[in-house]
Amino acid sequence: DGGITQSPKYLFRKEGQNVTLSCEQNLNHDAMYWYRQDPGQGLRLIYYSQIVNDFQKGDIAEGYSVSREKKESFPLTVTSAQKNPTAFYLCASSTPGTGNYGYTFGSGTRLTVV
Amino acid sequence: AQSVTQLGSHVSVSEGALVLLRCNYSSSVPPYLFWYVQYPNQGLQLLLKYTSAATLVKGINGFEAEFKKSETSFHLTKPSAHMSDAAEYFCAVSDSGGGADGLTFGKGTHLIIQP
Repeated sequence: DGGITQSPKYLFRKEGQNVTLSCEQNLNHDAMYWYRQDPGQGLRLIYYSQIVNDFQKGDIAEGYSVSREKKESFPLTVTSAQKNPTAFYLCASSTPGTGNYGYTFGSGTRLTVV
Repeated sequence: AQSVTQLGSHVSVSEGALVLLRCNYSSSVPPYLFWYVQYPNQGLQLLLKYTSAATLVKGINGFEAEFKKSETSFHLTKPSAHMSDAAEYFCAVSDSGGGADGLTFGKGTHLIIQP
């Protein structure tokens, strides 16, 4: 079955470390997104990509970086510049402009600073 | 800019009672509206979506929502709550057609079902 795979499910980061969250989809979707979820804050858009080798900043991009070298993959790096990285991170994908407006979400990665 | 307001961070209903989760939006263009459900430590699952067709939208698990332009609302309802409905619910809006630049989410409503 097609879907989005996020790994790892749980991740622990020490102060000053960079960590990379994986997101892979086999839905042949063009667009991919990274959201951050904090309790009571809803989901906030970090980065999105509508096509390979191109991506745009979302509302809270500071301290994060992404790449989109393949259509299927959209990894997110949480850098040491992100001062409060503890959160639940969700990856999503969609096919804009096709009439199918549904977003498919991965099961998330919970990142904790130790 | 688009935005979503969900009234009530927590809603508690008895099993078998009506579920009503409120969502109001603001958008400068005709919006596309969505309701998602999230169970603990999981991703979001699409319940239903409004994409300028019928104003009453039926979704999965017996949920439905009605788009009311005059009230800028898209409230989610279910006639009879079940224990399995306990979860976090998010309303989201996109004003870019296919949502190519991402959805804007409300802060969520935690639905509690009392036995």
